[in-house]
Amino acid sequence: GAVVSQHPSWVICKSGTSVKIECRSLDFQATTMFWYRQFPKQSLMLMATSNEGSKATYEQGVEKDKFLINHASLTLSTLTVTSAHPEDSSFYICSAPRPGGETQYFGPGTRLLVL
Amino acid sequence: DQQVKQNSPSLSVQEGRISILNCDYTNSMFDYFLWYKKYPAEGPTFLISISSIKDKNEDGRFTVFLNKSAKHLSLHIVPSQPGDSAVYFCAASYSGSARQLTFGSGTQLTVLP
Repeated sequence: GAVVSQHPSWVICKSGTSVKIECRSLDFQATTMFWYRQFPKQSLMLMATSNEGSKATYEQGVEKDKFLINHASLTLSTLTVTSAHPEDSSFYICSAPRPGGETQYFGPGTRLLVL
Repeated sequence: DQQVKQNSPSLSVQEGRISILNCDYTNSMFDYFLWYKKYPAEGPTFLISISSIKDKNEDGRFTVFLNKSAKHLSLHIVPSQPGDSAVYFCAASYSGSARQLTFGSGTQLTVLP
């Protein structure tokens, strides 16, 4: 069964609004979670590393003020796309590694469409 | 600079035959490699992984081979089934990176009945 969940699975919003996406680890605690973005027919690109109890680490080129990350607890990380624009339309996916393990488990993804 | 490369964007194979998906990497610090399967509008599903201390790992129909000197790994699926049709991503990480994954661009596998 799923070990990482995301909510919502898809969202349509107007340009200029903010959208929050939740990522939860279901049966394990994750001190670190990762947020990826995938544009059509492209690979998954790491956006940021979410750290419980400290600030997120952003990849080069990713605006931290636009993509706000909050690792609220050991099982929840949220990504807020602030003042969304059509170019932010994409597929956002989170992942979390099991403690002591090498494998990361991915959420089902969130499809964002900004009109 | 693509550190993980999948040079074949697509592959078609007849049902029952072997599918071989290839992946090359450039960063010699990578010490763990994973293969994920992905359907459209879904998150990647973990398939199989291999540590750099091994050269082969097998799980059912899936086998991953690692050639460190060539910085090359491959995923073998045998026998291939129509349900295997999906995009396959190769990913790599290293122990100093908090296990961040670097993905290849993916290969669309189509298994023909």
